[in-house]
Amino acid sequence: SAVISQKPSRDICQRGTSLTIQCQVDSQVTMMFWYRQQPGQSLTLIATANQGSEATYESGFVIDKFPISRPNLTFSTLTVSNMSPEDSSIYLCSVGSNVGTGVYGYTFGSGTRLTVV
Amino acid sequence: AQSVTQLGSHVSVSEGALVLLRCNYSSSVPPYLFWYVQYPNQGLQLLLKYTSAATLVKGINGFEAEFKKSETSFHLTKPSAHMSDAAEYFCAVSASRYNTDKLIFGTGTRLQVFP
Repeated sequence: SAVISQKPSRDICQRGTSLTIQCQVDSQVTMMFWYRQQPGQSLTLIATANQGSEATYESGFVIDKFPISRPNLTFSTLTVSNMSPEDSSIYLCSVGSNVGTGVYGYTFGSGTRLTVV
Repeated sequence: AQSVTQLGSHVSVSEGALVLLRCNYSSSVPPYLFWYVQYPNQGLQLLLKYTSAATLVKGINGFEAEFKKSETSFHLTKPSAHMSDAAEYFCAVSASRYNTDKLIFGTGTRLQVFP
C-alpha cells in the first residue's frame, strides 16, 4: 500500500498565525483527503484534493480558513489559517491505495497534532 | 447519503474474553465498509474491509467482521482479547470500491482490556 509522509508531526502555534501541513505520498494518487480529528472525537473530512483542480470542501469548512494545494500527484498541503484554540486538533491526510491482493483501502498519514495557544 | 453508527463509545473486557464492537450502517448504494484502529498518539491502521466478495471478513491481529445486509450491520469481533488490543476503533463507510470517494467515520469505540 501507499506510504504517506506527513509533517510536521506536531506543533504549538500562537493564535492568529497559520500552519502549513505537508503530505508526501510514495506513489501517484488521484485523490487526497484531509481530515480533522478534534480531541476525543472521530474524524471529519475537511476537503478532497484533486491534482489540477480546486479542492472540494465539506460543509462547515471553507477555503479561506483551510486552503489546500495539490501541485502534483504525490504531494499536497493543508494550511490552517488565522488559528484559534478551537483549531487544536489532529489533522490527517489520506489516499486510496491498493493494500494488497486487489483490496483497496485508505492509507493515512501519521497525523499532525496541532495545539493553538 | 451514507452514515455509520457505532454503539457504545467505551467497551471494557477482560483479557481473553470476547471482543464485540458494534457498527450499523446506512447507505443508498452498496457500501464498502471498513474498520480502523488507532493506538494512542498514532495514526489509523486498517484492520479489515468489506468488498462484497465475502460476508465474513478476516483482518489483522485476529479480528474479523461479518456483513449482515438484513441487519445493516458490520460488527467487529475477536475471540480472545489481548492487552495490546486496547485502542480506539472506528467503523467507516465509502461508496467507492476503488476509494475515489470519501470515507465517513463513526464516532469511535474505545476498547479497554483489563488483566
